[in-house]
Amino acid sequence: KAGVTQTPRYLIKTRGQQVTLSCSPISGHRSVSWYQQTPGQGLQFLFEYFSETQRNKGNFPGRFSGRQFSNSRSEMNVSTLELGDSALYLCASSLVSGEKLFFGSGTQLSVL
Amino acid sequence: QQPVQSPQAVILREGEDAVINCSSSKALYSVHWYRQKHGEAPVFLMILLKGGEQKGHEKISASFNEKKQQSSLYLTASQLSYSGTYFCGTGATPVSGGSNYKLTFGKGTLLTVNP
Repeated sequence: KAGVTQTPRYLIKTRGQQVTLSCSPISGHRSVSWYQQTPGQGLQFLFEYFSETQRNKGNFPGRFSGRQFSNSRSEMNVSTLELGDSALYLCASSLVSGEKLFFGSGTQLSVL
Repeated sequence: QQPVQSPQAVILREGEDAVINCSSSKALYSVHWYRQKHGEAPVFLMILLKGGEQKGHEKISASFNEKKQQSSLYLTASQLSYSGTYFCGTGATPVSGGSNYKLTFGKGTLLTVNP
C-alpha cells in the first residue's frame, strides 16, 4: 500500500510569490490534515479536510488556504509569501478524524 | 493551546529507561504519540483514549491521566533505534466530535540513545 505522497519535496520562492503544495493520501483515507513544522515549535495545525470539506482550521492568516478533491487528494496554497513562512509543511492522512495519522515526508519551503 | 512536553531533551545509554511527559491545560479526550527521526516523517506510536483504551506499539507503553490532563510515554530498555524527537498530540474534543476535532501537538522531546 503506497504511503502519503507530498510534492514537491523542496521549494524555493521569493517574498510576495504564492505557492501550491500537493498531498496524495493513502488509498481509502478520507481525512487529510496539514501541519507547519519549524525548529523548536513542533507541529502547528493548519487545517483538516474530510470528504472535500474543511472541518477545522488552525490559527493561521487567510493567506493559507487549502482544498480537497473528490479523490481525497489535497492541495495547500500560500499567497503573498513572507520570510516567516519558511518551514516544513507536512500532510497527514487518516481513515477518519481522530484515528492515527500517516504523515508524508513533507515539502520544505524556503522563502528568500 | 499547545500541550507542554517535558523534558525538552534527554540523553540515554542503550538499555536505560526514559519517561516523556505531556501536559495540557484543557480537558482531554485523546492523546497521540509520534516519533520523528531526523529528516523523516513522524511515525505513529500510540493512541490513548479517554476511558482507558490504548492502541499502539508493543514495546513502548503509555499512560493517560484524564483528571490531571497528562500523559506519559514509557520507553524501557532503550535501543539505538529509539533516538528521535517524540511528539504528543492532544485532542480536546471526542474523537467522534466530527468538525470540532483537532489534534494539537507539543514542541517535542529530543531523545538520544548512545551505545
